[in-house]
Amino acid sequence: DVKVTQSSRYLVKRTGEKVFLECVQDMDHENMFWYRQDPGLGLRLIYFSYDVKMKEKGDIPEGYSVSREKKERFSLILESASTNQTSMYLCASSSPVISGSYEQYFGPGTRLTVT
Amino acid sequence: DQQVKQNSPSLSVQEGRISILNCDYTNSMFDYFLWYKKYPAEGPTFLISISSIKDKNEDGRFTVFLNKSAKHLSLHIVPSQPGDSAVYFCAASARGGSEKLVFGKGTKLTVNP
Repeated sequence: DVKVTQSSRYLVKRTGEKVFLECVQDMDHENMFWYRQDPGLGLRLIYFSYDVKMKEKGDIPEGYSVSREKKERFSLILESASTNQTSMYLCASSSPVISGSYEQYFGPGTRLTVT
Repeated sequence: DQQVKQNSPSLSVQEGRISILNCDYTNSMFDYFLWYKKYPAEGPTFLISISSIKDKNEDGRFTVFLNKSAKHLSLHIVPSQPGDSAVYFCAASARGGSEKLVFGKGTKLTVNP
């Protein structure tokens, strides 16, 4: 079974802090994604990566950056946290080459609160 | 512009009855569709998918129907169980293009005992 883990389930940070959210997958997937989920807005893509050291902006990249130094690890960075970044953050991975489909496998999520 | 739309934010059904969740899309390049289920404080889990070469796919109590001409798909759950209470997301992808999924905003299903 694919396992996607996220470093924290709950996180509380102060406005202006630099925040790191870590995601690790164990299935050698080439694609990794970061989403945020807010009530009534569904899942919105922040950034994604097709390969090591490669990244592409999603629909709402402002205020975020990412890092992918190893294939299994994809980090989301909030350079200076703001209260409007309070949200549920979800990491996902996929590999159409391995699985034959576009199914994405999600981690358990990190509930981030910025005060 | 919302390419995948779930127009019903919520749906309530009785246990044992059928639940029908609907999804519409606007991008004619979409040719692969997925449904995910999400419980509070958990990540979404994959439920069922369908390729555009089919119009129906079934997996146990779950069936997805695709109407390409109407750009509409639906998820049927029969019989509904209280454990099915969750938020359901519809997602779409275009093969040969980006491997991103475009998600709808979700429908919260409540199955009453």
